[in-house]
Amino acid sequence: GIQVEQSPPDLILQEGANSTLRCNFSDSVNNLQWFHQNPWGQLINLFYIPSGTKQNGRLSATTVATERYSLLYISSSQTTDSGVYFCAGPLSGNTPLVFGKGTRLSVIA
Amino acid sequence: KAGVTQTPRYLIKTRGQQVTLSCSPISGHRSVSWYQQTPGQGLQFLFEYFSETQRNKGNFPGRFSGRQFSNSRSEMNVSTLELGDSALYLCASSLAASSYNEQFFGPGTRLTVL
Repeated sequence: GIQVEQSPPDLILQEGANSTLRCNFSDSVNNLQWFHQNPWGQLINLFYIPSGTKQNGRLSATTVATERYSLLYISSSQTTDSGVYFCAGPLSGNTPLVFGKGTRLSVIA
Repeated sequence: KAGVTQTPRYLIKTRGQQVTLSCSPISGHRSVSWYQQTPGQGLQFLFEYFSETQRNKGNFPGRFSGRQFSNSRSEMNVSTLELGDSALYLCASSLAASSYNEQFFGPGTRLTVL
């Protein structure tokens, strides 16, 4: 089945720094979502981005479907950005989301 | 519009017992998926329901089952609980059956099996 690899697995940042998280897929995907898991476990939708670039405040994401990767950019990081970031996508419309192992981000004041 | 709700939020059971978890999707959403999250295995797909029919099933033993009602609410049941079933169980809803639709997650039910 499809493999999803996220890098880096862990990231420690000083408040105010910028970061880039990467998600690689072993096969083509037709949907890709980025989530932030808060300390209470809930997955918060960040982006639904099958292709192209989207921005939402300090966060932006780019998916290059033909090259099977997606990037999540966090600018001017804040302590509230801490948590685990997941990317996920299905192989096709009839298959469930496959999640990466996540990137654990710690933002230090 | 209210988000996905899951009940209960926390649950403690002992080995051998059974448990039922509930998920109410976003109003108008007809697809509900269930995932198990553990530190060792990450997020793993359990099953998906659409219009009261199981559409997909993950690689879990038959002790794990689910169903969906006509109002799209879904329940999952785990029988004969094992210690390894301790996990965060997440439910997601989407507008339609295709995984191309954006999925929205509930807050989860944290199950502890003693």
